[in-house]
Amino acid sequence: GDSVTQMEGPVTLSEEAFLTINCTYTATGYPSLFWYVQYPGEGLQLLLKATKADDKGSNKGFEATYRKETTSFHLEKGSVQVSDSAVYFCALSGSETSGSRLTFGEGTQLTVNP
Amino acid sequence: EPEVTQTPSHQVTQMGQEVILRCVPISNHLYFYWYRQILGQKVEFLVSFYNNEISEKSEIFDDQFSVERPDGSNFTLKIRSTKLEDSAMYFCATRGGRGGNFDEQFFGPGTRLTVL
Repeated sequence: GDSVTQMEGPVTLSEEAFLTINCTYTATGYPSLFWYVQYPGEGLQLLLKATKADDKGSNKGFEATYRKETTSFHLEKGSVQVSDSAVYFCALSGSETSGSRLTFGEGTQLTVNP
Repeated sequence: EPEVTQTPSHQVTQMGQEVILRCVPISNHLYFYWYRQILGQKVEFLVSFYNNEISEKSEIFDDQFSVERPDGSNFTLKIRSTKLEDSAMYFCATRGGRGGNFDEQFFGPGTRLTVL
């Protein structure tokens, strides 16, 4: 079945540091890929998405590019802020087997210190 | 901005008791989902619901679980006889459905279920 693997966390950075959170996936067909973010005490919010190979999703300074050749969707931000502290989830849907359900990675806790 | 709401935020119950978790979807959304996250583990899909019937379910969603939309607004998840291993955060999600399978799913804040 489908699966998503994220880099092991947690990740702790200083403000203005560069962020990369790795995400790779296994799925049949051409799934859509997502990054969700969960701030403390809140539900999951869509951060960005990409629906086909080579698409780049971007939002709030975060970017991720859908790389079918490496089955990856790594999240990057050039300069993190304290307000970016949250849990980040990589996810996919729309594979040949998954339909509309979301398949999530383990989540990566990001802490940004001032 | 419209949002998905869930009640209660925290539910404590004894093993073997029935619980009902409630979700109020965004008003014009057509597809509804339940996910759960056991502490320290991945968010897992349970079930999807469209047009008043289940469209997909996972192997987790066994006969102890049921979903319904009793009054056209609330979307509920019932666990008939809770087990210790049902302790988790349960998330409701909804989507509009006009963009195929790739529309954004909007998540509620979750209900933390603790089974003692």
